[in-house]
Amino acid sequence: EAGVAQSPRYKIIEKRQSVAFWCNPISGHATLYWYQQILGQGPKLLIQFQNNGVVDDSQLPKDRFSAERLKGVDSTLKIQPAKLEDSAVYLCASRSGIGHYGYTFGSGTRLTVV
Amino acid sequence: AQRVTQPEKLLSVFKGAPVELKCNYSYSGSPELFWYVQYSRQRLQLLLRHISRESIKGFTADLNKGETSFHLKKPFAQEEDSAMYYCALQYGNKLVFGAGTILRVKS
Repeated sequence: EAGVAQSPRYKIIEKRQSVAFWCNPISGHATLYWYQQILGQGPKLLIQFQNNGVVDDSQLPKDRFSAERLKGVDSTLKIQPAKLEDSAVYLCASRSGIGHYGYTFGSGTRLTVV
Repeated sequence: AQRVTQPEKLLSVFKGAPVELKCNYSYSGSPELFWYVQYSRQRLQLLLRHISRESIKGFTADLNKGETSFHLKKPFAQEEDSAMYYCALQYGNKLVFGAGTILRVKS
């Protein structure tokens, strides 16, 4: 079974620029998550999709962050404009929706805002 | 509010010594608790979950509802256990992580 794919692996941008991350979940996984992991902290949930609908985006800074999951498969997370405090690893995870073993994490995108 | 606390940022032990990584949680319902591990340059992966009461790579964790704890233990640490360990609480479809503990096993 292929894992959760994310790209790019690394990204360095200047503050006020925009950036987008891409995630391809495991085939058939209905639920997709984006997490933000700031250095020294545990992953924090930003947004959760069930198929192509948003289930929870309560912790997403909507003034600058947006995410979509067209056709219930791939997802993109965008930041516009970026701030220094957005520097973090952005993790994508998907889940089959059955039990807990379905959570699978991607390798993440490390964003540095300078 | 649901919260997971891992009080130690770093735990350093010698090879062969016992290991205990602490985790406390705050949740009013029936908790589902997990330990995730991230080895150097690898992705986050599930180590074990309380409901299965299993031992993985020699690690065990017991849920103590009275103390709201889910500490991870191993009787004899090995160098390959060096990694970042996260305790996580699942409620509904959400997974909340603690801040993590770096385990460093010295030879």
